[in-house]
This record gives sequence, structure tokens and C-alpha cells, in this order.
Amino acid sequence: NAGVTQTPKFRILKIGQSMTLQCAQDMNHNYMYWYRQDPGMGLKLIYYSVGAGITDKGEVPNGYNVSRSTTEDFPLRLELAAPSQTSVYFCAGKTGVNTEAFFGQGTRLTVV
Amino acid sequence: AQTVTQSQPEMSVQEAETVTLSCTYDTSESDYYLFWYKQPPSRQMILVIRQEAYKQQNATENRFSVNFQKAAKSFSLKISDSQLGDAAMYFCAYRTTTIQGAQKLVFGQGTRLTINP
Repeated sequence: NAGVTQTPKFRILKIGQSMTLQCAQDMNHNYMYWYRQDPGMGLKLIYYSVGAGITDKGEVPNGYNVSRSTTEDFPLRLELAAPSQTSVYFCAGKTGVNTEAFFGQGTRLTVV
Repeated sequence: AQTVTQSQPEMSVQEAETVTLSCTYDTSESDYYLFWYKQPPSRQMILVIRQEAYKQQNATENRFSVNFQKAAKSFSLKISDSQLGDAAMYFCAYRTTTIQGAQKLVFGQGTRLTINP
């Protein structure tokens, strides 16, 4: 099993550009999450999903969108990138209630 | 809403010594989970230890142990016999349940731990 795989690992965007951060898992995770980690801070929840076709907002959803068309994939879309979205983005998945969350290795995004 | 506070931005310890990282949290729930995660320079989030709130016994994983004080809402991490590989950012996290029944983590700001040889 590859676990939770994020691509790309690094990306530089210009202000106003858009991009999709990919997250794929092969561990039968029902629950999937996107967090962002700003410099010197803890992770904050952007969006999450409890299964295919079901998503909901977390603490900091503005400027992002997600979709969950399959159980395996949970892409995060940035429209009109802004410098405030410069951050490290983590995708995580967990199988069910009271199970451990597994994190991807993160995507470092810089918006200039 | 739940909050998690780590009041020590940085800590350092001599190799082989013991260090304690502090964490406090705020919640109105009675049953929950608390976690400590380690984030080395590779950025990978690694689960170090977990504590179930209804269990009075403090969790232990090899050199890592916690001091869980439920009434005080305190959850500190003790690292014994510190090793160079323990150097990392450490995050305290609280697990809560969303309206849709998913479980999400609320993280503290982190403590950067340096191990001096």
C-alpha cells in the first residue's frame, strides 16, 4: 500500500492562477481531510469528506473547493490563488470512527 | 469550539535527558481523544501517542509518556532518554466529531524540540 499520496510536493503559483492539489489513498479510507499549515503554526482544517459524494467545510474553506467522486481521490482546488494561500497542505485519511489518521507528505505551495 | 494551546514555542534538551512538552485544551465534551504528533524536517506527520479521555491511566509508548489531567484539561508529553532523532516539531491535537459524524483534529501551534549532543 502506498498510503496517502499527495502530488505535487512543491509548487509556485502566480497570483490569480488556479491549480489542483491531488490526494489519493489506497487504504480504504472513508474519511478524508485537507489541512493547511502556515509557518510556525499548527494544522487547520480546510475541507473534509465522509465518503464519495459527501464533502463539508472545515475551519478555513474560503478560496478552496473539493470533490470526492471516488473513495480513493480527494482533490483540492484553488481558484484565483492569493499570497495568503502560501502554506503547506496536508491530506489525511482514516478508515472509520476511532481509527488513526494517516497523513500524506504535504505539498508546499508558494503564491507570488 | 475546542481549542488547543501549546505555550512553549521552543524547547531544548541535552541528549539522554528528559524533557516535558506542555499542552492545554478547552472543551465541553466528556469523551474525546488527545494526540501528540511529531513532525520532523521531512514534514511527515507521525503519531507519537494517543490518550482516551475516559481512561484514567496515562498512555505510554516506549520512551514517550503523557501526563493527562482531565480536570485541569492538561496533556503533557514526556520524552525520556532523549535521542537526536527526537528533534522535531511536536503538535498536540484534540479529536472532535463534526456534524456529519466525521472526526477531525484540532491542533496546537506546535513546540520545536532541539536535542543538544
